[in-house]
Formats: sequence, C-alpha cells, structure tokens
Amino acid sequence: DAGITQSPRHKVTETGTPVTLRCHQTENHRYMYWYRQDPGHGLRLIHYSYGVKDTDKGEVSDGYSVSRSKTEDFLLTLESATSSQTSVYFCAISGGTSGRNEQFFGPGTRLTVL
Amino acid sequence: AQKVTQAQTEISVVEKEDVTLDCVYETRDTTYYLFWYKQPPSGELVFLIRRNSFDEQNEISGRYSWNFQKSTSSFNFTITASQVVDSAVYFCALSGPNFGNEKLTFGTGTRLTIIP
Repeated sequence: DAGITQSPRHKVTETGTPVTLRCHQTENHRYMYWYRQDPGHGLRLIHYSYGVKDTDKGEVSDGYSVSRSKTEDFLLTLESATSSQTSVYFCAISGGTSGRNEQFFGPGTRLTVL
Repeated sequence: AQKVTQAQTEISVVEKEDVTLDCVYETRDTTYYLFWYKQPPSGELVFLIRRNSFDEQNEISGRYSWNFQKSTSSFNFTITASQVVDSAVYFCALSGPNFGNEKLTFGTGTRLTIIP
C-alpha cells in the first residue's frame, strides 16, 4: 500500500475559522491531489500539485488554497470555513516510478463546520 | 469537459447472484483512462482497475470482470457470485492523457448491498 497519511482524521470547527489539512506521503510521488466527497457528487477535485511549489486549481477550488513546499507534504487550507465545506477530504498521489500510474488515496479527513 | 455517469444509485442483490455496475463516460480526448474504485464501509478508496482507451480487451480478475466498449462509451463492472464483502460504494472515474498527472473525474457512485 502507498504510504499516505492525512491529519487530522476528524475535525469539528466553527464557521469563519481557518483550517489546514495535511497530506503526507512517503512514496516520493510527483503528483498530489485534494478531493472532496459529498453525497450525490462522488469525489470532486479541489486542487492538485505537479511538483514542489507547482499547483493548480481543480473543479471546486473556490474557498480553498494549497501549498507544497516539500515533495512529501501537500497542505489544504480553508481560509474562512463555511458550512458548505463540511465534507470528507481525500488526498491522493500518483506519478511513481513503477510506471503503473494509478492514483492512490489517503484515508480521508472528515471535516464538520458548524 | 469530461463526465462520468453512474445511473444506478443503489443496487441490492442476494449473495451469490451476479451483478453489473454501469458506467458511461464522455470525453473529447482520443487518449484517456478509465478506473474503478471501491469504497467499503470503512471509508478508504481501493483501486480496482485502470484501462486505457486503446485497450478494449475485457479483463477478468477472479470474480471481477470489466467490459469496455468504446462504441457505447461504457466501462461496466460485473461481480460474479457476489459475496457480503463486496458490499461497498463503487466509483467509476475518467482521466485525460497526461501520464502520471491523472486528474480524475468521478461518477457519483453506486452503492452495492449484498444480502446474505
């Protein structure tokens, strides 16, 4: 299994507070992604990174920012959390040297914004 | 724009029955990749299969099989002799041609319940 951890695994916060979710990988994969999962929507891409300090927006990027200062860490920040950002957040990685190219997912972070 | 449709929201079958999960996709890319992921009740996402657009050969892995038909833009997943452990939400996903940079477009998922 790919070495991907997410922290925290669960978080409850209040509207208007900043929140940062961390994704950490030990696989040295080049690409990293943040998705959110909501009922009726499947998973939707928030932001992704194709290298250190190289990031781009996904389908639902409004209200989110990301940073990647090291290969192994990809941070997702909600500058001012809203109730609509209550969701399960998954980090994923791809681009390893195996050439198999599939995308591996972390265990997820359940975020509740009250 | 890419789109994946899983029209079956929920399916229930009795154990040992066969079941097919449908996936229809839309893309303008001539090269693309299709995926199936399983999400068991524990919540993690488990990779099942990846198929590229140039390989229309059906694949079988144990009780699982996949039928890729470019003509109908479908990539259906069949579980033969279903078991209770197959109960999960199954997602079909699509990505473009960029090797290693696979921004996935997911369907909304099909919740499969196997009744003992």
